[in-house]
Amino acid sequence: EVQLVESGGDLVQPGGSLRLSCAASGFVFSNYWMTWARQAPGKGLEWVASVKQDGSERYYVDSVKGRFTISRDNAKNSLTLQMDSLRVDDTAVYYCARGRAGLIWGQGTLVTVSS
Amino acid sequence: QSALTQPPSASGSPGQSVTITCTGTSNDIGAYNYVSWFQQHPGKAPKLMIYEVTKRPSGVPDRFSGSKSGNTASLTVSGLQAEDEADYYCNSFASSNDVLFGGGTKLTVL
Repeated sequence: EVQLVESGGDLVQPGGSLRLSCAASGFVFSNYWMTWARQAPGKGLEWVASVKQDGSERYYVDSVKGRFTISRDNAKNSLTLQMDSLRVDDTAVYYCARGRAGLIWGQGTLVTVSS
Repeated sequence: QSALTQPPSASGSPGQSVTITCTGTSNDIGAYNYVSWFQQHPGKAPKLMIYEVTKRPSGVPDRFSGSKSGNTASLTVSGLQAEDEADYYCNSFASSNDVLFGGGTKLTVL
């Protein structure tokens, strides 16, 4: 069974940093693009970033460019989102998803940015 | 990176059919056959219902179908059931290497 389990969500002050992790199982992780998406409270879904199978290509939504970094460790079947210079409007549930379009999703982890 | 356009709400009675549209541009929906549709119940993670415009993952009822014409994609739910009441989101690849989501449509089963 394909499983994606996110962790690392927390309450952080504006300007702070947070590192999200996603543990993947049930499929050959290195065969797939991986994606982070988010959903602010009461709002719609938003694609955040995607990384190619070998990590050689990474793409970001404009609002996080220069602040967030997506990376992966194929040996450990894990995906990471390093979030720096966090802003109040980064508050959201962050989902790890398989594929560029996010065809299989984890259950999400809540990031709250507030003073 | 503008969002795709969906109607905020749609509704139908049990047994009826309802179609939700998702409008983009020639740089996203019109350029790629990579449109997906997701169902989200309150407090739950999104669930894939349609991918690559028309394909249905295993386990998704054939009451759900997808199509595309030009820059607009559509999701049709036939034989509406109470459990179909949820939020529905579309997404598409875009030529800027981005992935765009629609704003979501709240489907109400009357």
